[in-house]
Amino acid sequence: NAGVTQTPKFQVLKTGQSMTLQCAQDMNHNSMYWYRQDPGMGLRLIYYSASEGTTDKGEVPNGYNVSRLNKREFSLRLESAAPSQTSVYFCASSLAGFTDTQYFGPGTRLTVL
Amino acid sequence: EDQVTQSPEALRLQEGESSSLNCSYTVSGLRGLFWYRQDPGKGPEFLFTLYSAGEEKEKERLKATLTKKESFLHITAPKPEDSATYLCAVQSYNNNDMRFGAGTRLTVKP
Repeated sequence: NAGVTQTPKFQVLKTGQSMTLQCAQDMNHNSMYWYRQDPGMGLRLIYYSASEGTTDKGEVPNGYNVSRLNKREFSLRLESAAPSQTSVYFCASSLAGFTDTQYFGPGTRLTVL
Repeated sequence: EDQVTQSPEALRLQEGESSSLNCSYTVSGLRGLFWYRQDPGKGPEFLFTLYSAGEEKEKERLKATLTKKESFLHITAPKPEDSATYLCAVQSYNNNDMRFGAGTRLTVKP
């Protein structure tokens, strides 16, 4: 079991470029999440998917879009990257909703110049 | 709005020197309080979930407790391998969100 995997591990973008962060889980979990982590701040929820076919906004959704491709995969897209989106992005999954234990991936470190 | 504050920001201990980390929270209807450990360059790793005041959970040298306003993570006789950032998060009945604190960075010196 790989758990939660994320690609890429590192990425540098120029302002205005677009990219998609990929996340996959092999634990047969129903719920998946995207967070960002900035120095001195806690993890902040960007979007989540309670179950396959549904997505909802979290605390900081502006500038992002998501796709729940199937039960295993949940991608995060930056359409026009901005320096304020420089951060470490974590994907997580849980069996069914927020009160179940969330398992996190290793993260993607994104720098926007 | 749900809020989580962790203190101290950083804590340096000698090996074997017990201490506690604090997580104060404001939430309208606590559904669960979570503790995670995060090593540098890695994703958070789950430690405990607490659901109601008075509840306690233990794992090796760690013990988590919960009151109506705060949670403590007690570390007994820590070892250098306990060095990490410890994160606290809350989930409330009123919204679908997880609110994390900024974390406490623990360093245990041999």
